[in-house]
Amino acid sequence: AQTVTQSQPEMSVQEAETVTLSCTYDTSESDYYLFWYKQPPSRQMILVIRQEAYKQQNATENRFSVNFQKAAKSFSLKISDSQLGDAAMYFCAYRGPYGGSQGNLIFGKGTKLSVKP
Amino acid sequence: NAGVTQTPKFRILKIGQSMTLQCTQDMNHNYMYWYRQDPGMGLKLIYYSVGAGITDKGEVPNGYNVSRSTTEDFPLRLELAAPSQTSVYFCASSYDEGRGYTFGSGTRLTVV
Repeated sequence: AQTVTQSQPEMSVQEAETVTLSCTYDTSESDYYLFWYKQPPSRQMILVIRQEAYKQQNATENRFSVNFQKAAKSFSLKISDSQLGDAAMYFCAYRGPYGGSQGNLIFGKGTKLSVKP
Repeated sequence: NAGVTQTPKFRILKIGQSMTLQCTQDMNHNYMYWYRQDPGMGLKLIYYSVGAGITDKGEVPNGYNVSRSTTEDFPLRLELAAPSQTSVYFCASSYDEGRGYTFGSGTRLTVV
């Protein structure tokens, strides 16, 4: 079964600095999808960034970028120029290539990011 | 542009009571999901549906039931509430396998 591991329960970053959140996953599939979700104190789950495994180019969304290492099964999130509003829980998630149960999102346990002013 | 709407946002139940968590989406998504979130445990899948009339169990289905009579609605039923069902519940929907989910705002349920 696929698993997603986030090894950093908590991280802290100074405002305007850069921080990297780690995520590793286990799968035997060659084609799949990876996501980072942000959950601020409001509890709302917000999609931050998405990566398709067949694409070698790392996804970017403004200040958010990923380092996707397919062979190492690693999918880290880099937040540049951190802002106070970036403080939240961040969840890494994996989704398989097929429908049915294979297409369900599998989440890591999350990393709580604090941003210091 | 409502997206995924969950009701209620908060609820306190007594042990043994039953309730239904409502979930409605207006994006014509075929795929719908129910997850529960416990502190430090991430989100775990309870049930999912790939279309009207089709539902299946996820990782933690015990104590819950679902139905999907329409594309829009995917209610989650708790029968005989237990303290172990104290959690935050999220409903989500998706257009297809490749895209991320759109989540509702969650329901915080406490069973006492």
